Amino acid sequence: AQSVTQLGSHVSVSEGALVLLRCNYSSSVPPYLFWYVQYPNQGLQLLLKYTTGATLVKGINGFEAEFKKSETSFHLTKPSAHMSDAAEYFCAVSNTGNQFYFGTGTSLTVIP
Amino acid sequence: GAVVSQHPSWVICKSGTSVKIECRSLDFQATTMFWYRQFPKQSLMLMATSNEGSKATYEQGVEKDKFLINHASLTLSTLTVTSAHPEDSSFYICSARPRMTLEKLFFGSGTQLSVL
Repeated sequence: AQSVTQLGSHVSVSEGALVLLRCNYSSSVPPYLFWYVQYPNQGLQLLLKYTTGATLVKGINGFEAEFKKSETSFHLTKPSAHMSDAAEYFCAVSNTGNQFYFGTGTSLTVIP
Repeated sequence: GAVVSQHPSWVICKSGTSVKIECRSLDFQATTMFWYRQFPKQSLMLMATSNEGSKATYEQGVEKDKFLINHASLTLSTLTVTSAHPEDSSFYICSARPRMTLEKLFFGSGTQLSVL
């Protein structure tokens, strides 16, 4: 069975500061891992994903995430926060792509 | 990129009525579509998986007679909330997976349902 834990339902950072959103997963098989962003009143957008290969994955808008198997983690980072990054972020895990299991989401606030 | 259109974006209805939500893949064929429900401040909950031409697979705890899912074509899936009650008020999101891909999903913009 797969599950996802996102530590911290709310994260606030100052504009220009490092963004770190945490995601830990459990999976009985090698997982596919995803980060999605949801802006207010919009659907989910894929930020980045890990399937195989390089464990450091770069996504859109300057975000990146590193798959650490030993820690069962897939934390999302961005070196410098921008006001437009304020949104809800969801981590998700899938095994074969048939079903996706989402974390509870982290609401990111960027303080000017 | 691929586009999934979800309609309506919001709907208000009276208790006891039925509401249909459409999910269309505009520029690709989707053999599989997923329906999620999101409660405020909670995670997305997978409700069901629909495969074109066959019955939907519902997650445990989801009433299949209440949430009717039809996937009649490779570009359209519908979710009908039958005899809606205030506790059905929620944000519903669909996603679609193009044929010949394993992990790529495209999401609709969601439907906010309010049942009075």
